[in-house]
Amino acid sequence: AQSVTQLGSHVSVSEGALVLLRCNYSSSVPPYLFWYVQYPNQGLQLLLKYTSAATLVKGINGFEAEFKKSETSFHLTKPSAHMSDAAEYFCAVRVNSGGGADGLTFGKGTHLIIQP
Amino acid sequence: GAGVSQSPSNKVTEKGKDVELRCDPISGHTALYWYRQSLGQGLEFLIYFQGNSAPDKSGLPSDRFSAERTGGSVSTLTIQRTQQEDSAVYLCASSNRDRGREQYFGPGTRLTVT
Repeated sequence: AQSVTQLGSHVSVSEGALVLLRCNYSSSVPPYLFWYVQYPNQGLQLLLKYTSAATLVKGINGFEAEFKKSETSFHLTKPSAHMSDAAEYFCAVRVNSGGGADGLTFGKGTHLIIQP
Repeated sequence: GAGVSQSPSNKVTEKGKDVELRCDPISGHTALYWYRQSLGQGLEFLIYFQGNSAPDKSGLPSDRFSAERTGGSVSTLTIQRTQQEDSAVYLCASSNRDRGREQYFGPGTRLTVT
């Protein structure tokens, strides 16, 4: 079975500073990996996904993530934080079973706080 | 095009009552998923439908929970004899048979059991 660990339930950065949200996964087969963002009282929006192509993935709103198999990590970064980035971020994994599409396994989430 | 829609957006019910939550997936999406988001448990997978295949019910927490998908489109999640621990936001997502099977989420239904 797969699992996801997000280090830090809350991360606070200053506006303009680097954003780094950590995600480590556990999977016995090559995974698909995702980062989702959730704004208050809204559903989840996909930021980016890794599907076994390029290991450095660029997403929306200036976010990117790098898949590192040796570290079983998929950390999310953004060079310069903006106030509008304040939200809850979820890392998720889905096993590439090649057959049916299993449900996503999510991490507990990281609440990103942007300090003015 | 239109995204995933869910209704109602909020539902307050008394303990012991049955509730039905509805999900309208993106047109043409063959896969539909239900998740539950609660403070204590985070985001949990509940059930998955793919086309006309038998659903994957492996995430349903008890036999009080059931779901159906009519005509391969609209889905209804039913919770019987609701308990206070059922209070959560119920999210629906849909996807298509593309690489990565990216899931698009609806806004959720906030269920409060009093």
